[in-house]
Amino acid sequence: AQSVTQLDSHVSVSEGTPVLLRCNYSSSYSPSLFWYVQHPNKGLQLLLKYTSAATLVKGINGFEAEFKKSETSFHLTKPSAHMSDAAEYFCVVRGYSSASKIIFGSGTRLSIRP
Amino acid sequence: NAGVTQTPKFQVLKTGQSMTLQCAQDMNHEYMSWYRQDPGMGLRLIHYSVGAGITDQGEVPNGYNVSRSTTEDFPLRLLSAAPSQTSVYFCASSHKLGQGLMKGDTQYFGPGTRLTVL
Repeated sequence: AQSVTQLDSHVSVSEGTPVLLRCNYSSSYSPSLFWYVQHPNKGLQLLLKYTSAATLVKGINGFEAEFKKSETSFHLTKPSAHMSDAAEYFCVVRGYSSASKIIFGSGTRLSIRP
Repeated sequence: NAGVTQTPKFQVLKTGQSMTLQCAQDMNHEYMSWYRQDPGMGLRLIHYSVGAGITDQGEVPNGYNVSRSTTEDFPLRLLSAAPSQTSVYFCASSHKLGQGLMKGDTQYFGPGTRLTVL
């Protein structure tokens, strides 16, 4: 069975400073990992995904994430925060088999200070 | 393509009433799932299906039923609504996992149904 833990429920950064949203996963086999973003009262948008190709994955809007198997982590980063990045971010894990569930983390709310 | 559609967008029920949330996709996806979203708890998987005629329980299945008679449709039924089922419900679909290009294929989400149970 797979699971995912987002280590921070809320992160606040100043505009123009780096963003780090932390995610740890648990999976019996090589998982697929995703980050989604949800802006207030909006649907879910895929930021990026890891599917066992390159361990450093680049996504939309300047976000990227690095898959570290030894640390079972898939942290999301951005070099310079923008006010429009304020949203809820979800780390998602999907197991290897065709019958695997897709499990969401509890979310991290990102606030951007002017 | 319409993608993933959900109806209704909003619904208010009284305790004990039953209703069905509809979900349909036109992308020929094998995998479909239902989530509920509650503040501070992310999206929790209710039920999922890897193909027509196949369904399985997720993390929070109690109080909900599903069926998958066609590839396109995956309705979620509340048999006897309770206030604890007040939530936003999302339906999602993707290709079934396999080797090569399909591995880890992305989920596509519907716009959500906001349900209030009084």
